[in-house]
Amino acid sequence: EVQLVESGGGLVKPGGSLRLSCAASGFTFTNAWMSWVRQAPGKGLEWVGRIKSKIDGGTTDYAAPVKGRFTISRDDSKNTLYLQMNSLKTEDTAVYYCTTEGPRRIDYWGQGTLVTVSS
Amino acid sequence: EIVLTQSPGTLSLSPGERATLSCRASQSVSSSYLAWYQQKPGQPPRLLIYGASNRATGIPDRFSGSGSGTDFTLTISRLEPEDFAVYYCQQYGTSPIFTFGPGTKVDI
Repeated sequence: EVQLVESGGGLVKPGGSLRLSCAASGFTFTNAWMSWVRQAPGKGLEWVGRIKSKIDGGTTDYAAPVKGRFTISRDDSKNTLYLQMNSLKTEDTAVYYCTTEGPRRIDYWGQGTLVTVSS
Repeated sequence: EIVLTQSPGTLSLSPGERATLSCRASQSVSSSYLAWYQQKPGQPPRLLIYGASNRATGIPDRFSGSGSGTDFTLTISRLEPEDFAVYYCQQYGTSPIFTFGPGTKVDI
């Protein structure tokens, strides 16, 4: 059974930093393309960014609102995905979901972790 | 960037009725790049349909997807109580990689 467990959310002041983690199990993490998707309170879904598997280059892509501020990385030895968020803004307040990608779709979602950016 | 529009915003129906949800893209989308998700309150989304018309593993056959080009439809043939939720369409692109529609809430 695929399990994705996010952690690291919390309250942070504008301009601050936070690192989210996602512990993955139940599938071959090394081969997986992984994405972060967020959802502001009461709003819709917004893709944040993705990291390909190392065998496919390990490259990252980001949505325009977070490019240059957020960094996605992975530790395949620990089956863990990370999202480093810097220069946080109030509009980054959201539940952040760790997800696995299938071909042109998102197959599995974690339960999410809430990030609140407020002074 | 392709923009997805979903209609209606809210669909008020009763159990046993048929639900028809629309997703319209601002430019033509390959059918293989269109997916649908269901989200219940307090839960993450769940993949329902991929490639416009293929049901994901474990999805009941009362859910079906269709469409091509710029117009796609999710149909729930007979609503069960557990189907009342928000439904999102998604298209796969280049920048951004994934784009979601604003959602349709299926309400009792």
